[in-house]
Amino acid sequence: GAGVSQSPSNKVTEKGKDVELRCDPISGHTALYWYRQSLGQGLEFLIYFQGNSAPDKSGLPSDRFSAERTGGSVSTLTIQRTQQEDSAVYLCASSSLGGFGNTIYFGEGSWLTVV
Amino acid sequence: AQTVTQSQPEMSVQEAETVTLSCTYDTSENNYYLFWYKQPPSRQMILVIRQEAYKQQNATENRFSVNFQKAAKSFSLKISDSQLGDTAMYFCAFAYNNNDMRFGAGTRLTVKP
Repeated sequence: GAGVSQSPSNKVTEKGKDVELRCDPISGHTALYWYRQSLGQGLEFLIYFQGNSAPDKSGLPSDRFSAERTGGSVSTLTIQRTQQEDSAVYLCASSSLGGFGNTIYFGEGSWLTVV
Repeated sequence: AQTVTQSQPEMSVQEAETVTLSCTYDTSENNYYLFWYKQPPSRQMILVIRQEAYKQQNATENRFSVNFQKAAKSFSLKISDSQLGDTAMYFCAFAYNNNDMRFGAGTRLTVKP
């Protein structure tokens, strides 16, 4: 597609439920990132996929968070047993392969509210 | 570990004036990239400007320029002739090796008419 697409744009869920957030990167981009942005805060790195390499999961805050990327394209971020502190905007971004420093392009984010 | 620090949570500037946003970083890498991203209320992150660490010349994009001090690990953003549309959160970011990118906490800039 023309840009990074994320769905849903807004999600309200009850505490304890599982949620899945989807990211469709720009076609051909091999690098994909997930970030979390709490209200009024900066971007917190969650996970990074690059091609067929093992993902960098160092930013995942707990074992309730997981992410996968199927076929090197679409990615799903799953949060199990959601807690109120999980409420945030989850931003996905992608960039092309070809040396580091390439511009990364962000989606508009998925706004998660846990009630 | 690479860290990025933005020490100004909020700033304001009068329309048409100049404002400088600060950013410092910590790394042991010698070759890397630095970026400034803008996030308006629409939430869409937009690249403002980027700097390659091996280039001494400061990057410039129209009204936006940087002051890159490699030895001091400082990367400030100067916005000249501020416009109302510049109101946004501004994030400094650092990237090294395979596009791994880390962001600062952001500075909320308000341009006042």
